[in-house]
Amino acid sequence: SQQGEEDPQALSIQEGENATMNCSYKTSINNLQWYRQNSGRGLVHLILIRSNEREKHSGRLRVTLDTSKKSSSLLITASRAADTASYFCATDSFGNEKLTFGTGTRLTIIP
Amino acid sequence: NAGVTQTPKFQVLKTGQSMTLQCAQDMNHEYMSWYRQDPGMGLRLIHYSVGAGITDQGEVPNGYNVSRSTTEDFPLRLLSAAPSQTSVYFCASSYGQLLNSPLHFGNGTRLTVT
Repeated sequence: SQQGEEDPQALSIQEGENATMNCSYKTSINNLQWYRQNSGRGLVHLILIRSNEREKHSGRLRVTLDTSKKSSSLLITASRAADTASYFCATDSFGNEKLTFGTGTRLTIIP
Repeated sequence: NAGVTQTPKFQVLKTGQSMTLQCAQDMNHEYMSWYRQDPGMGLRLIHYSVGAGITDQGEVPNGYNVSRSTTEDFPLRLLSAAPSQTSVYFCASSYGQLLNSPLHFGNGTRLTVT
């Protein structure tokens, strides 16, 4: 069963706008990661946030983590056409060597 | 830098045939794993390995075998292919045994079982 569930399943925005996608998970985590997948390719790691962190930035990406609500959000600012992709959250838990992925958000940036 | 290399890129099998999906990484990563990706299901973990000689089951291991005789290679074997195994298969690796570092993915093998 999936640990993480992304919301929305699909999102279309105009180039230059900000995109926000959310991830909810069910059990306590050690780390939460976000990945991007371009069509027909493997996943690419974007950012890792640990359970004791609340916010992390990387370039145009901002990730927040709320462990009390078991949720995370990924914000992409000033979107570009190249950001068109599927985005997945993934979680692992203490003492567990398995990384569990959600079902993904498909983001389309309209030029 | 080759990273994670998967072969073949595409494969068509008939029901009951066997085959091995190859995965090799040149980053000296201890952790390696296999996922399958199906529409609407995200990625599901099949098997993983925390080092040479050590393998363990993931979420959907039935119908698949793995071995890890070297650090570099982690092949996935389908002993008797079934249509339900039609999917895109991804191999991924990471540094260290604990998942505090990101996974590096190959570009996948698209398998069709008829």
